[in-house]
Amino acid sequence: TQLLEQSPQFLSIQEGENLTVYCNSSSVFSSLQWYRQEPGEGPVLLVTVVTGGEVKKLKRLTFQFGDARKDSSLHITAAQPGDTGLYLCAGLPSGGYNKLIFGAGTRLAVHP
Amino acid sequence: GAGVSQTPSNKVTEKGKYVELRCDPISGHTALYWYRQSLGQGPEFLIYFQGTGAADDSGLPNDRFFAVRPEGSVSTLKIQRTERGDSAVYLCASSLGRDSTEAFFGQGTRLTVV
Repeated sequence: TQLLEQSPQFLSIQEGENLTVYCNSSSVFSSLQWYRQEPGEGPVLLVTVVTGGEVKKLKRLTFQFGDARKDSSLHITAAQPGDTGLYLCAGLPSGGYNKLIFGAGTRLAVHP
Repeated sequence: GAGVSQTPSNKVTEKGKYVELRCDPISGHTALYWYRQSLGQGPEFLIYFQGTGAADDSGLPNDRFFAVRPEGSVSTLKIQRTERGDSAVYLCASSLGRDSTEAFFGQGTRLTVV
């Protein structure tokens, strides 16, 4: 069974601080995705990383895929209150189609 | 709207009752997925449709759960003899095709079994 462990589970920081969320597995994934979910809404895709060692940037968010394609990180620089939400990583096993394996999520609160 | 639509948004039912949850995918998306998200957890895969057929139903927890997609568009998730442990948010997602890695999620149906 493939599992994804996310840490930390909760994160409460002040506006302007930096933070990193980790997503780890003992299994290899063909790609890994990061989603953000607001209360009462479905997850919204932020990024997909495919190649081991790949780094992608989305404004103040930096996503990295581990060299062995087993882990990933999300780094937010100078967090804003608008970044508050649930961040989910999801692994896509080989074999195609979106049978995503999600981590439990990191609930981020950024205080003004 | 152009997104994935799920109805109802909220459903409260008594233990033992039958419920149906509906998903309208994005027009033209041939792949449709159902996930279940329990409180404090990430979504868990239930079933995947490619067109009208269930290509992978390995995530359905037991035979009380069933899903259909008769015309390859709208899908209905059916739960018989509901139990309190079935309480969760049921999410539907669609993608352009089997090989598309981008899935678009609906807002979910929050099911509460009392």
